[in-house]
Amino acid sequence: GAVVSQHPSRVICKSGTSVKIECRSLDFQATTMFWYRQFPKQSLMLMATSNEGSKATYEQGVEKDKFLINHASLTLSTLTVTSAHPEDSSFYICSARPPTGGRNNSPLHFGNGTRLTVT
Amino acid sequence: AQKITQTQPGMFVQEKEAVTLDCTYDTSDQSYGLFWYKQPSSGEMIFLIYQGSYDEQNATEGRYSLNFQKARKSANLVISASQLGDSAMYFCAMRMGAAGNKLTFGGGTRVLVKP
Repeated sequence: GAVVSQHPSRVICKSGTSVKIECRSLDFQATTMFWYRQFPKQSLMLMATSNEGSKATYEQGVEKDKFLINHASLTLSTLTVTSAHPEDSSFYICSARPPTGGRNNSPLHFGNGTRLTVT
Repeated sequence: AQKITQTQPGMFVQEKEAVTLDCTYDTSDQSYGLFWYKQPSSGEMIFLIYQGSYDEQNATEGRYSLNFQKARKSANLVISASQLGDSAMYFCAMRMGAAGNKLTFGGGTRVLVKP
């Protein structure tokens, strides 16, 4: 089945540094990928839509200069948290939807997430 | 704007019994899709079941079934014969349109299965 791989699974960084998270679709091409953020005991909140070959689309309230998204190829999107602060500590998870072949019930597939801790 | 509501923050269920997780949604669109995902403590999101707004029959996938009541805008998940491995967070989500990719998630319900 469709697999989305996310790396790293955990990262601890110092305040002020930048962290890059990778999201790869392993057996399908994804022109669009999605980045979500999840605080402890809360739901997933969509941060941005990553578009291959063009700029990402950010949700309201998400700082585009803070969370840089690059969708360099049809199988890779990266999220860079720049100048990280402790309040950026969260669980970040990416997703992508394989080509549906006309099937509406094709679900989004998620990576395993990245737990970011900023000290 | 669409909204998904899960009113049960947490539930206990006895092993081998069935449990129903509530999900209501609000949308003015006629075409939409409803999903349920399971999130164990490890964090991954596992797709469970899908219901399209035009599907006339309730979706079923193994021990999971979806009680879809379109007029009431509810899409409750029923897990039959609960197992200890079912302990997890469960999220209801809605996708707008037949070809849409964005998902809006409910707040989640934590299920703990007791032996």
